[in-house]
Amino acid sequence: AQTVTQSQPEMSVQEAETVTLSCTYDTSESDYYLFWYKQPPSRQMILVIRQEAYKQQNATENRFSVNFQKAAKSFSLKISDSQLGDAAMYFCAYRIDNAGNMLTFGGGTRLMVKP
Amino acid sequence: NAGVTQTPKFQVLKTGQSMTLQCAQDMNHEYMSWYRQDPGMGLRLIHYSVGAGITDQGEVPNGYNVSRSTTEDFPLRLLSAAPSQTSVYFCASSYSGQGKQPQHFGDGTRLSIL
Repeated sequence: AQTVTQSQPEMSVQEAETVTLSCTYDTSESDYYLFWYKQPPSRQMILVIRQEAYKQQNATENRFSVNFQKAAKSFSLKISDSQLGDAAMYFCAYRIDNAGNMLTFGGGTRLMVKP
Repeated sequence: NAGVTQTPKFQVLKTGQSMTLQCAQDMNHEYMSWYRQDPGMGLRLIHYSVGAGITDQGEVPNGYNVSRSTTEDFPLRLLSAAPSQTSVYFCASSYSGQGKQPQHFGDGTRLSIL
């Protein structure tokens, strides 16, 4: 069974600074996808960034980027120039291809942004 | 487009009662699923559907029932509510089962079982 682990229950960052959220996963599959979702207090699940395992290049979306280390099964999220609106729960998730609609989630990291 | 719509947003039930959580999407997505989110945990898959008339169990299916009579709707039924089913429930949909396809989530239903 696949597992996703987020070892940091809470993180704090100063506004305009950079923060990195950690995620590790365990799988025997070679083709899979990794995601970071943001959940603000409104409870919405918002897709932040996606990485295909077959791509060596790290995904980037504006201020958000990942460090994908396939051999180490590590998938960290870097948020640059942190903003107050970035404060939320962040979930790392894993999905294998054509496996129904199954996302396997980590336990989440609560990010606080200090003004 | 409304996206994925869940009703109700909040519900309180007594132990033993039954109810149906509604989920509808207007994006013509084939894949739909239900997740539950417990405090301090990520979402866990309850049931999913790959198309009208086809459903399958996820990680935590016990105590829940689903059906998929149309592409748009995927209701989740609690047969006899138990306090352990107190949770926030999310419905999600995607265009296909391809891993790269993004999942669209509803806003969730907060369910409390007394």
